[in-house]
Amino acid sequence: KNEVEQSPQNLTAQEGEFITINCSYSVGISALHWLQQHPGGGIVSLFMLSSGKKKHGRLIATINIQEKHSSLHITASHPRDSAVYICEGTGNEKLTFGTGTRLTIIP
Amino acid sequence: DAGVIQSPRHEVTEMGQEVTLRCKPISGHDYLFWYRQTMMRGLELLIYFNNNVPIDDSGMPEDRFSAKMPNASFSTLKIQPSEPRDSAVYFCASMGLSFGYTFGSGTRLTVV
Repeated sequence: KNEVEQSPQNLTAQEGEFITINCSYSVGISALHWLQQHPGGGIVSLFMLSSGKKKHGRLIATINIQEKHSSLHITASHPRDSAVYICEGTGNEKLTFGTGTRLTIIP
Repeated sequence: DAGVIQSPRHEVTEMGQEVTLRCKPISGHDYLFWYRQTMMRGLELLIYFNNNVPIDDSGMPEDRFSAKMPNASFSTLKIQPSEPRDSAVYFCASMGLSFGYTFGSGTRLTVV
């Protein structure tokens, strides 16, 4: 069983919909990263957070360390948001990756 | 800043050959990470350095893999001898005080 679980694994939505991707982990972590990998393969770091909430444009990330859960939200989704989203936990100098969520936004 | 620079972008080599992947992190970033991505296993951390010192190499698959960071501006990942199952995209990333990663464009390695 992976120490970091993401859901859903695949998500298809219409343009404009509100998107939520979840990340749950079974190990203690001190911080969590959300990464975005574009269809072309490039990886971008979206957020690193250890508590509360962060917002950047249409993207919002929240984390509850006690509940070992984080969510990534996309408001007013757009086809260019289509990508694989990966959460990564950092704790005790060990990095653990989620399995990724493939998001497809249909125009 | 040009970002994290990886070379080569693509590498095709024959089984048994030595392969060296290179990475130039962003100046001032204290951490450097090497990742491997395959369809089967997804993204995996191989090794990471802090201030040029290897911190965790538990992700390195076997002794055929080695990584060095001789100075703050350069790192290499070497595979010797290479095998077809090493075919993957290898990413390098660096991280600074803001703790956000910056990834390189990756090196697509094909071992035939």
